[in-house]
Amino acid sequence: SQTIHQWPATLVQPVGSPLSLECTVEGTSNPNLYWYRQAAGRGLQLLFYSVGIGQISSEVPQNLSASRPQDRQFILSSKKLLLSDSGFYLCAWSVPGASGETQYFGPGTRLLVL
Amino acid sequence: AQSVTQLDSQVPVFEEAPVELRCNYSSSVSVYLFWYVQYPNQGLQLLLKYLSGSTLVKGINGFEAEFNKSQTSFHLRKPSVHISDTAEYFCAVSLIYDKVIFGPGTSLSVIP
Repeated sequence: SQTIHQWPATLVQPVGSPLSLECTVEGTSNPNLYWYRQAAGRGLQLLFYSVGIGQISSEVPQNLSASRPQDRQFILSSKKLLLSDSGFYLCAWSVPGASGETQYFGPGTRLLVL
Repeated sequence: AQSVTQLDSQVPVFEEAPVELRCNYSSSVSVYLFWYVQYPNQGLQLLLKYLSGSTLVKGINGFEAEFNKSQTSFHLRKPSVHISDTAEYFCAVSLIYDKVIFGPGTSLSVIP
C-alpha cells in the first residue's frame, strides 16, 4: 500500500532563517506531487505541483521554492522566512493520468515563524 | 476558470441531528467533484467523489452527496451526526486531467 510521510511535524523558526520541509511517498511510482499551505482558519492554497523529477510548476509567486530530486521526494524550501510563511503545510500525491484523481495527503507540517 | 464556494464557514449541529454542508461551483464544462475531511492537526482524506453516472454519491462514515448540474451544486449530507464527525470539510472541483481547486472549507462542530 502507498504511504506518504512529511517531516518535521512541527517547526518554529525565526524570521529570516532558511526552511526545508521534506515529503516522501512509498509504494507508487512517478506520482504527481503537490505542496499546499493552509493558513489558520482558511482553505488550501496550492503552492507547487510536480509531474516528474525536476519538473516543478509554481502557482503563487513568493519566497518559497520546491524541488523534486528523486521520483518520490518533494522538498519545499525558503532562503529567508517571512512572518506570513506561518501555516500548515501539506504534501499530497496522486496517480498521474487518472481522470478524477484522488489526492492523498500527508500528515502535514505546522510551521510557526517568529 | 472553475471555482468553488462553500457558503457556510461554520456549522454547529447537535449530536444525532442531520446536517447538510453546501457547496457550489462555477465551470462552463464538465467537472469532477470531491469532498474531503480534515480532522484536527491532520491531513485531508477523501470522503467521496463524483465522476459520472448516478448523481447521488455515497462515501465513507455515512456521508453522501448529490450532484445537481442545473444548480451547479454538490451538497454533502449525513442523516445523523456523531461527535467524531467534528472536523473541517472541503469541497473541491477539477476539470479532466487538471489540478484540483479546493473551497475555503466548512467547520462542522457537533454538540453533545
